[in-house]
Amino acid sequence: DIQMTQSPSSLSASVGDRVTITCRASQSISNYLNWYQQKPGKAPKLLIYDASSLQSGVPSRFSGSGSGTDFTLTISSLQPEDFATYYCQQGYSMPYSFGQGTKLEIK
Amino acid sequence: EVQLVESGGGLVKPGGSLRLSCAASGFIFSNYAMGWVRQAPGKGLEWVSSISSSSSYLYYADSVKGRFTISRDNAKNSLYLQMNSLRDEDTAVYYCARVAGAAGTLHWGQGTLVTVSS
Repeated sequence: DIQMTQSPSSLSASVGDRVTITCRASQSISNYLNWYQQKPGKAPKLLIYDASSLQSGVPSRFSGSGSGTDFTLTISSLQPEDFATYYCQQGYSMPYSFGQGTKLEIK
Repeated sequence: EVQLVESGGGLVKPGGSLRLSCAASGFIFSNYAMGWVRQAPGKGLEWVSSISSSSSYLYYADSVKGRFTISRDNAKNSLYLQMNSLRDEDTAVYYCARVAGAAGTLHWGQGTLVTVSS
């Protein structure tokens, strides 16, 4: 099974900050990598698919990059509604494993 | 608009059974693989089971193999998860998910809570 490792596991930041979350796969997964945002009590919401494609309706301050084993999610200027938990997910092979999550908190 | 609505969750004693359902709408259900993902309280996401569009390919996490059965009815646009021999550690919100694209992108239902407790 492919293991996904996210870092950091938690992050404190302020409104307007630029934030980067990383995700590393235990083997190459090409660009088969997706990013989700989850708020308490809600289902995950797709932000980025195929490593760098922005899901329709998602603000352009979110961006993704990477291929192979190393990926990043960047939020260019944090907004109050962005404080949430973020997960990466590989779709290269079953099981479609997830990173352990990054909780983004207000500083 | 893609809609996935789960039902069937609830409180069950250890060793008991539950059947989760997921009603799909807004897309051609028979064209997509589907899956179940769970999230224990305060924890991360765990892939539980998946089924191909024609039911020819099934996957189960080791933690549920032999106890859970995934199935689908393409005529009814519905996905199911039969859960037997439930354990305390199966307590979680269970999400139904549509699998799309080469990268296995997931679209999620709102989830249904399963609580296993005596």
